[in-house]
Amino acid sequence: EADIYQTPRYLVIGTGKKITLECSQTMGHDKMYWYQQDPGMELHLIHYSYGVNSTEKGDLSSESTVSRIRTEHFPLTLESARPSHTSQYLCASSESGTGWADEQYFGPGTRLTVT
Amino acid sequence: QKEVEQNSGPLSVPEGAIASLNCTYSDRVSQSFFWYRQYSGKSPELIMSIYSNGDKEDGRFTAQLNKASQYVSLLIRDSQPSDSATYLCAVKIKTIFGAGTRLFVKA
Repeated sequence: EADIYQTPRYLVIGTGKKITLECSQTMGHDKMYWYQQDPGMELHLIHYSYGVNSTEKGDLSSESTVSRIRTEHFPLTLESARPSHTSQYLCASSESGTGWADEQYFGPGTRLTVT
Repeated sequence: QKEVEQNSGPLSVPEGAIASLNCTYSDRVSQSFFWYRQYSGKSPELIMSIYSNGDKEDGRFTAQLNKASQYVSLLIRDSQPSDSATYLCAVKIKTIFGAGTRLFVKA
């Protein structure tokens, strides 16, 4: 079983609030990812990191920001939440290196609702 | 054209039948290929990875890769209702997820 954790699992918050979604993994993976997924829809990569102090924007534009100060921790922050941010946010990690493997392990997700 | 394409389904198969899920990709230099299963309301979980042409079997699952034709498929033998889920195809160099195929196994 993958050791990747996300908190909170569910969050209902009002418009304009600042929120941080936490993601931690204990597998020593260098690569970490944030995806956004609406119910029944496809995954969209919004941020990724290949290691400490490395962050990149993904394929889907997002108003969120991320940081990677420690290998095991990859928090996502929304400075001012809006109803359009309502979605499921999934964190994932994979092993380091440039080899063949990029098997991603997903956390349980955070379901965010902005009222 | 999307970089990774899947039929969104739903694909409906009777219990005990073989479910065949297909995925095509556009980048010829793609090296690694993965199938993830996602139950409704849950996170994706990796079920198969394949890196070279041919078949790779793991229990009831068989992944098939044909790099010349740029497709990868997943066969599920003896399909069970518990296999009902969305199956995501993923392709690397940069991992790109297809939109997923919903599979429904009728009991």
